[in-house]
Amino acid sequence: AQKITQTQPGMFVQEKEAVTLDCTYDTSDQSYGLFWYKQPSSGEMIFLIYQGSYDEQNATEGRYSLNFQKARKSANLVISASQLGDSAMYFCAMRDRLGSWGKLIFGQGTELSVKP
Amino acid sequence: GAGVSQSPRYKVAKRGQDVALRCDPISGHVSLFWYQQALGQGPEFLTYFQNEAQLDKSGLPSDRFFAERPEGSVSTLKIQRTQQEDSAVYLCASSNNEQYFGPGTRLTVT
Repeated sequence: AQKITQTQPGMFVQEKEAVTLDCTYDTSDQSYGLFWYKQPSSGEMIFLIYQGSYDEQNATEGRYSLNFQKARKSANLVISASQLGDSAMYFCAMRDRLGSWGKLIFGQGTELSVKP
Repeated sequence: GAGVSQSPRYKVAKRGQDVALRCDPISGHVSLFWYQQALGQGPEFLTYFQNEAQLDKSGLPSDRFFAERPEGSVSTLKIQRTQQEDSAVYLCASSNNEQYFGPGTRLTVT
């Protein structure tokens, strides 16, 4: 069965510094997708970044990048130049196929606090 | 609107009452998902629709939970005879590749 593990319940980072949020996954599938979502206190899940299992380049979206290490089954999120508005819960998720019809399996989340 | 909308945003139900939660997906999105998020946890899958067909309902916790999407657009999640353990945020997502989530409905069963 697929599983996502986020080992950092909470993280602190100084404003303008970079931070890495850890995510490891477990699957026997060859085709899968990895996602990161941000959930501020308002509750909405905001899509940040996606990495397919066959993508050779690490995904990047603005200040977000995904450090994909397939052999280690890790998909860490790197946020560069942290901003106060980055304070939120962050969830790593996996879909057990590359198409749009796969359910997401989420980790427990990491609460990020950005200090001024 | 451009995003996924859900209503109501908040619902308080007395134990034993039935509730209906609505989801309006992004126009043109074929796939629609429902998730349940307990306090302090990540979302957990409930059910999935492709157009009007419910292709996966393996995450529904009991037969008190029922979902439909009769015309392949709006979806309703119904919970019958609510119990306190049903208290959670219910998230709807629609998808072309990435899943886009609505703001959720926070259900509190008293």
